[in-house]
Amino acid sequence: DAKTTQPNSMESNEEEPVHLPCNHSTISGTDYIHWYRQLPSQGPEYVIHGLTSNVNNRMASLAIAEDRKSSTLILHRATLRDAAVYYCILRNQAGTALIFGKGTTLSVSS
Amino acid sequence: GAVVSQHPSWVICKSGTSVKIECRSLDFQATTMFWYRQFPKQSLMLMATSNEGSKATYEQGVEKDKFLINHASLTLSTLTVTSAHPEDSSFYICSATRPGGSSYEQYFGPGTRLTVT
Repeated sequence: DAKTTQPNSMESNEEEPVHLPCNHSTISGTDYIHWYRQLPSQGPEYVIHGLTSNVNNRMASLAIAEDRKSSTLILHRATLRDAAVYYCILRNQAGTALIFGKGTTLSVSS
Repeated sequence: GAVVSQHPSWVICKSGTSVKIECRSLDFQATTMFWYRQFPKQSLMLMATSNEGSKATYEQGVEKDKFLINHASLTLSTLTVTSAHPEDSSFYICSATRPGGSSYEQYFGPGTRLTVT
């Protein structure tokens, strides 16, 4: 699977939008872009995924660049419970293991 | 959503003893489960892929004789850390993919914190 690059950390204030970037310049045509997050001392949880088009769900939005070499996870209104490590992962085959990079640690202040 | 449980949530054992960690898919049958290890301040590292009814596939550098994986049923996979040492202290996390459907989402357990004294 192709590699992703994310900032080590980001900070946000409560109630404000957060844009978490991810670069994946070597992405292949069949790679899906997945986002998971891990709250402290818990297992990761699914956030969102996409292939080419932007995606929205109840947790977040995923904006994918036209050339697919980068993407942005958008949390529309950050809450204290959104403080976590966010992982951007590429995977080209459903059902295979997710390979985690270092992720972005998001801090949210009140 | 689908639920994956782990037991125990934390365990302390003495050096040289063995510890078994259970991973259960509570509301679906999982033909494949994955085991990860996470050291403090680090990311998750894939240890092995566990397939129901067959031998697990281990990642490079993971000792299969030390980390015994058994996937005897479609809802249960176990990881046994044999002859545990302090350097095996870590957060162990399992995950499963529900067969059928889109299978894009992996469901993770809450993790088991192992401390070897």
